[in-house]
Amino acid sequence: AQSVTQLGSHVSVSEGALVLLRCNYSSSVPPYLFWYVQYPNQGLQLLLKYTSAATLVKGINGFEAEFKKSETSFHLTKPSAHMSDAAEYFCAVTSGSARQLTFGSGTQLTVLP
Amino acid sequence: ETGVTQSPTHLIKTRGQQVTLRCSSQSGHNTVSWYQQALGQGPQFIFQYYREEENGRGNFPPRFSGLQFPNYSSELNVNALELDDSALYLCASSLARVNTDTQYFGPGTRLTVL
Repeated sequence: AQSVTQLGSHVSVSEGALVLLRCNYSSSVPPYLFWYVQYPNQGLQLLLKYTSAATLVKGINGFEAEFKKSETSFHLTKPSAHMSDAAEYFCAVTSGSARQLTFGSGTQLTVLP
Repeated sequence: ETGVTQSPTHLIKTRGQQVTLRCSSQSGHNTVSWYQQALGQGPQFIFQYYREEENGRGNFPPRFSGLQFPNYSSELNVNALELDDSALYLCASSLARVNTDTQYFGPGTRLTVL
């Protein structure tokens, strides 16, 4: 079964600092990977997805992620954090006959002024 | 283009009762998936409907059931509610059952079981 592991349930950065949220995947076949963001009391919004084209994927709100097969990683980064980036971030992989999303446990990002 | 909508927003039930949650998929999408998100956890896949047929199911008991209608809207029914069913229930729609297809999520229904 395909799965993802998010390292660090809570990450705090200062406004303007680099954001790095870690995600490692486990997959026996080429994975399709996603990052979603969830603001308080809301649903999930897609930030970006990897579908085996370019290994560096650019998403919305200045986020990007790099697929590294050798490290089985798909870390999410943003050069400069904004207060509005404070939210929970989920890494996910598609799996199963229904191509359902299997999510990591999430990383809560706090942005300090 | 209308996004995914869910109703109701919040719901409070007592143990043993039954509940029905509703989802309207994004325009043109024929696949609906349901997820349960317990507090502090990532969403977990319940089941998926494609063209009115159940297409896949996660590790949830049979008291979780669903329907998809010809207009691709969907319902999630939960019988004999338990305290652990308290969660945010998310509906997601997509255009097709392919790995690369994006699932678009609704705002969710917060279910509290007392």
